Amino acid sequence: QVQLVQSGSELKKPGASVKISCRASGYHFTTYALIWVRQAPGQGLECLGWINTNTGNPTYAPAFKGRFVFSMDTSLSTAYLHLSDLKVEDTALYFCARGSRTPDLWGQGTLVTVSS
Amino acid sequence: DIQLTQSPSSLSASVGDRVTITCQATQHISHFLNWFYQEPGKAPKLLISDSSNLQTGVPSRFSGSGSGTDFAFTIASLQPEDIGTYFCQQYDDLPLTFGGGTKVEIK
Repeated sequence: QVQLVQSGSELKKPGASVKISCRASGYHFTTYALIWVRQAPGQGLECLGWINTNTGNPTYAPAFKGRFVFSMDTSLSTAYLHLSDLKVEDTALYFCARGSRTPDLWGQGTLVTVSS
Repeated sequence: DIQLTQSPSSLSASVGDRVTITCQATQHISHFLNWFYQEPGKAPKLLISDSSNLQTGVPSRFSGSGSGTDFAFTIASLQPEDIGTYFCQQYDDLPLTFGGGTKVEIK
């Protein structure tokens, strides 16, 4: 079955870090780039950037350079999003999706809640 | 970044009504626009790519049109299962950007 499966919800305190995983199955991992998108509660969708799964090269949206890091493990067909120095405003549902232009397959989302 | 303005932000219509959502880009993006549907707490689902290309398995009551800066998404006959939020998304330039969404409800 072609799918992206993300890791479970996280509850973190401000200043902490979190790493979200996105495992691909049912297709060849390196054929498609993976993008990361977040959605704050009741808000719209923001693209954080994407990772070239062929080279491992990440590209970050200007607003998300610095505290956000994309990585991957080709042997596990898994991409990761690492968020550091978490802030309350990072509370959101984080999605990975296949395709750097037209994301046609999405993970189920990972809820990250940042609260003291 | 390219900004996308969706209108309206919400609408309420009766079953069987024709519903149209517009999406306007701040610069010319050719036909590089997609439409998504999302239920609360769930992942977006791609409905239409390249402005008007209906994805496999998506009902034919959905359609998209437009190029340049002005785009439209239409549900020809609104059904109860269509309630949710619809987003446009451009891919002419990175970063990808999304419209603010249109919440569709049944009257």
